[in-house]
Amino acid sequence: EAGVTQFPSHSVIEKGQTVTLRCDPISGHDNLYWYRRVMGKEIKFLLHFVKESKQDESGMPNNRFLAERTGGTYSTLKVQPAELEDSGVYFCASSRLGTDTYNEQFFGPGTRLTVL
Amino acid sequence: RKEVEQDPGPFNVPEGATVAFNCTYSNSASQSFFWYRQDCRKEPKLLMSVYSSGNEDGRFTAQLNRASQYISLLIRDSKLSDSATYLCVVRSFNQGGKLIFGQGTELSVKP
Repeated sequence: EAGVTQFPSHSVIEKGQTVTLRCDPISGHDNLYWYRRVMGKEIKFLLHFVKESKQDESGMPNNRFLAERTGGTYSTLKVQPAELEDSGVYFCASSRLGTDTYNEQFFGPGTRLTVL
Repeated sequence: RKEVEQDPGPFNVPEGATVAFNCTYSNSASQSFFWYRQDCRKEPKLLMSVYSSGNEDGRFTAQLNRASQYISLLIRDSKLSDSATYLCVVRSFNQGGKLIFGQGTELSVKP
């Protein structure tokens, strides 16, 4: 079974530019999460999709961040315009939908974003 | 106050040592508890879930104390390959299943 994949693995952009990150979840996983780790801080939740619907976007820092999951498959996270404080590692995770008390979230390798 | 707090680390131990990591969480509605392992520049990977009765997986033992809102991880007979950052993670279902991470404790096992 293929794991969660993310593209690109690294991105270096200048302040004010736009960057789009992509996440392909594990096939059949309806839950898709975005997380971010900025330097020296813990990994923090950004948002959660169930299929194509945003279930929780309480972690999105501001309106410069836009996430989509058209068709309920892959997801994109766009940052426009990027600011210096957006630098960090962006992780995507996916899990099955279910009523189990625990459905493991599988993480992608992350996209390392550097804003200069 | 952070929702999940861990020992600051780093922990530098010799091979064969026993090492314990502690973690506290602030949200009493937290329902699921995990230890993840993260190798340098890699993604977090689930090490083990933590159950109320405590659970063991080989050299790893996890404990949960709901009354104290405290989680621990014990690693016995440390191996060089155990070197990594260990992340304490909680999840509350009234928060939609998102994971709340501690900052992580770095472990370095030396020969």
